[in-house]
Amino acid sequence: NAGVTQTPKFQVLKTGQSMTLQCAQDMNHNSMYWYRQDPGMGLRLIYYSASEGTTDKGEVPNGYNVSRLNKREFSLRLESAAPSQTSVYFCASSEATDRGRGSPLHFGNGTRLTVT
Amino acid sequence: GNSVTQMEGPVTLSEEAFLTINCTYTATGYPSLFWYVQYPGEGLQLLLKATKADDKGSNKGFEATYRKETTSFHLEKGSVQVSDSAVYFCALSGGAGGTSYGKLTFGQGTILTVHP
Repeated sequence: NAGVTQTPKFQVLKTGQSMTLQCAQDMNHNSMYWYRQDPGMGLRLIYYSASEGTTDKGEVPNGYNVSRLNKREFSLRLESAAPSQTSVYFCASSEATDRGRGSPLHFGNGTRLTVT
Repeated sequence: GNSVTQMEGPVTLSEEAFLTINCTYTATGYPSLFWYVQYPGEGLQLLLKATKADDKGSNKGFEATYRKETTSFHLEKGSVQVSDSAVYFCALSGGAGGTSYGKLTFGQGTILTVHP
């Protein structure tokens, strides 16, 4: 049972470089999410996708773009990395639809990104 | 908007001690409430949830009761083990305003360390 798979696990970038974080889920979930985790701040939502073909901004979208490639895959792109984007990034998925308030999120193991 | 406040950590206990981690929330309407746990190097895992007032979520000896009158969802365990050492996150989804697509708002996390 793979669940939610993220790649890569670790990445170091120089300021101004670009990269794409990959995420795939095998649970046939409708909704997918990207969060970042910073010390003392919990997890903050960057972008989410309620269904294939749709994406919406979360709390901290600046500096990021996303693509919901198909129902399984949801990628996060940093076009020009900045030191403020040093963080641990988590992808998650959920059965949730517009009324799915009680649906839990299933998380990947994270990507630890350092921008120097 | 929605917000979640957790007691500040870190919390250090001896094995078999009683655990309480406080969580209060701000949201209109009737959000769903969750506790997630994160072990070192891993993603978050759902620990328990409650979807309406006075519901009690429970799992692995942990319990939390949805108290709408005090807007709280405190996590408790009667006798902690070394293996419970982890970071615990309180979170909510939904509330007034209709659609939420399962998006979670997290507290800042509480680090728990249990010594033998």
